[in-house]
Amino acid sequence: AQRVTQPEKLLSVFKGAPVELKCNYSYSGSPELFWYVQYSRQRLQLLLRHISRESIKGFTADLNKGETSFHLKKPFAQEEDSAMYYCALSNQGGKLIFGQGTELSVKP
Amino acid sequence: GAVVSQHPSRVICKSGTSVKIECRSLDFQATTMFWYRQFPKQSLMLMATSNEGSKATYEQGVEKDKFLINHASLTLSTLTVTSAHPEDSSFYICSARVDPNTGELFFGEGSRLTVL
Repeated sequence: AQRVTQPEKLLSVFKGAPVELKCNYSYSGSPELFWYVQYSRQRLQLLLRHISRESIKGFTADLNKGETSFHLKKPFAQEEDSAMYYCALSNQGGKLIFGQGTELSVKP
Repeated sequence: GAVVSQHPSRVICKSGTSVKIECRSLDFQATTMFWYRQFPKQSLMLMATSNEGSKATYEQGVEKDKFLINHASLTLSTLTVTSAHPEDSSFYICSARVDPNTGELFFGEGSRLTVL
């Protein structure tokens, strides 16, 4: 079964604290994984993808095939990082399957 | 970046009426578009894949007669919610892919449907 799991519905941290948003997946093939972000009253947009191995807005995510995880990390959270974050998996059929989402709240 | 636009952004209708939502790719052609439904602070549920020039493919549990999808051109897909009921009230989002070789999708701003 193809599934993306984000165990935390809400993650609340203080500004400057490290952040880790968890994502685990279940997929029999070779996955293509993404993190999407949705800021308040804005459309969903791509944050990063695992094949790029890039850092966007200070966020990074490493694909761990052994643990079937793709956790999103940032060493020092900022207030403007507050948003809904969705982990997603693209299957061979081209469909994007989303996790339940984690709301990140960064307090001053 | 690629732009996907939806119209209307908000619509209120009476129970039993039909509502059409348009999704346009503004600066690229999209042979495939995807329609999602999103509940408040919850995940996006894939409803169907819209294919230009052919029938849409629906996900399990989605009524195709209820949610009519038409992909008449390479830049336009429409979702019609027929005989709408209050439980159809939701946020509907369309998306499209620019590069068929990647899984990245570009999303519309969404359409909020409220059925009274």
